[in-house]
Amino acid sequence: GAGVSQSPSNKVTEKGKDVELRCDPISGHTALYWYRQSLGQGLEFLIYFQGNSAPDKSGLPSDRFSAERTGGSVSTLTIQRTQQEDSAVYLCASSFLFSGSHATDTQYFGPGTRLTVL
Amino acid sequence: AQSVTQLDSQVPVFEEAPVELRCNYSSSVSVYLFWYVQYPNQGLQLLLKYLSGSTLVKGINGFEAEFNKSQTSFHLRKPSVHISDTAEYFCAVSVPQGGSEKLVFGKGTKLTVNP
Repeated sequence: GAGVSQSPSNKVTEKGKDVELRCDPISGHTALYWYRQSLGQGLEFLIYFQGNSAPDKSGLPSDRFSAERTGGSVSTLTIQRTQQEDSAVYLCASSFLFSGSHATDTQYFGPGTRLTVL
Repeated sequence: AQSVTQLDSQVPVFEEAPVELRCNYSSSVSVYLFWYVQYPNQGLQLLLKYLSGSTLVKGINGFEAEFNKSQTSFHLRKPSVHISDTAEYFCAVSVPQGGSEKLVFGKGTKLTVNP
């Protein structure tokens, strides 16, 4: 596709339920990132993937959060036993990594998934 | 650890006026600096980035930013804004040395351009 896509665009769930958020990166991009945007916290890094491996999981808030990436493409962020404080917009980004450094390669962001936990 | 401070959470300006959105960072090592823009109901879009070289960086839509190492600042400017510039602007820092190569964002500045 032309850009990073995320689904669903909106998700409303009840406290205690599990949710899965999906990210389709730009074709050919090897690096994939998940961020969370919430009121009062701004944009927070959650995890990034290089291919199918996740060298940095330091941003995951708790063990209820997990993510995987298959085939070097689609990624799924799973939140188990959702809590109200999980309500936020979850953003996915991808980059090509042509320069060899995550820092210099532009990250292209998707439109996000707005998660509301009731 | 790196951190980014955006001093103004909201900036209202009139159309065709100049604007400066302030950003300060803290880091003990060299950093790369970015400005992203988020238009209403859209994802983040890169405006510009500083990696090295000239401290004045020009980006899209007529924006520019100046890296000032001594003041650890990377303020964003535009000489004349349009209604369409109304959006939220995020400053971010990335450390280009091993470890976790992620973007650390400021809390954002909402720019509102009024007619």
